[in-house]
Amino acid sequence: DAGVTQSPTHLIKTRGQHVTLRCSPISGHKSVSWYQQVLGQGPQFIFQYYEKEERGRGNFPDRFSARQFPNYSSELNVNALLLGDSALYLCASSPEVPRNQPQHFGDGTRLSIL
Amino acid sequence: RKEVEQDPGPFNVPEGATVAFNCTYSNSASQSFFWYRQDCRKEPKLLMSVYSSGNEDGRFTAQLNRASQYISLLIRDSKLSDSATYLCVVSRLNRDDKIIFGKGTRLHILP
Repeated sequence: DAGVTQSPTHLIKTRGQHVTLRCSPISGHKSVSWYQQVLGQGPQFIFQYYEKEERGRGNFPDRFSARQFPNYSSELNVNALLLGDSALYLCASSPEVPRNQPQHFGDGTRLSIL
Repeated sequence: RKEVEQDPGPFNVPEGATVAFNCTYSNSASQSFFWYRQDCRKEPKLLMSVYSSGNEDGRFTAQLNRASQYISLLIRDSKLSDSATYLCVVSRLNRDDKIIFGKGTRLHILP
């Protein structure tokens, strides 16, 4: 069975641009979460979606938005990119809300802002 | 104070040694607890969930102390392949769901 898949794997953008990152959860998983990980830090929670509804939000500015589609795949959008947005963006899925169960992570999208 | 704090690393220990990691959390509404490991430039992978009664999986033992709000991970008979960053994860429900990762503790097993 395919694991969590993310695309693209690497991306280079310039300041002020916007970006869309994509995630397909493990088949049968209804919850998707997004994280930002900068070098030397643990993943920082951005959003959690379950059954196409936002269930949780981390301390990120409104430039960050996301949505989940009927097939449970998800997109993370970031507008007006800043140099500080350079990071590894991780998507994780779980069968139900991940409050009480572990998550399975994709390989991530490495975003570089020039 | 950070919501989840872990031992600052790195830990450099000889192969075969026992190593213990601690993690404290500040929000008493926290509900679930996990340890993940992350290899360099790889995604985090679940190592084990942490249950109230404590749990063991081979060489790994996890414990939870709700009164003192900390969790621990013990690795016995450490192997070279245990070298990784160990991430403490706490999930809570407080108006909305949040999953909080610690900064991670880097472990180097020395031959």
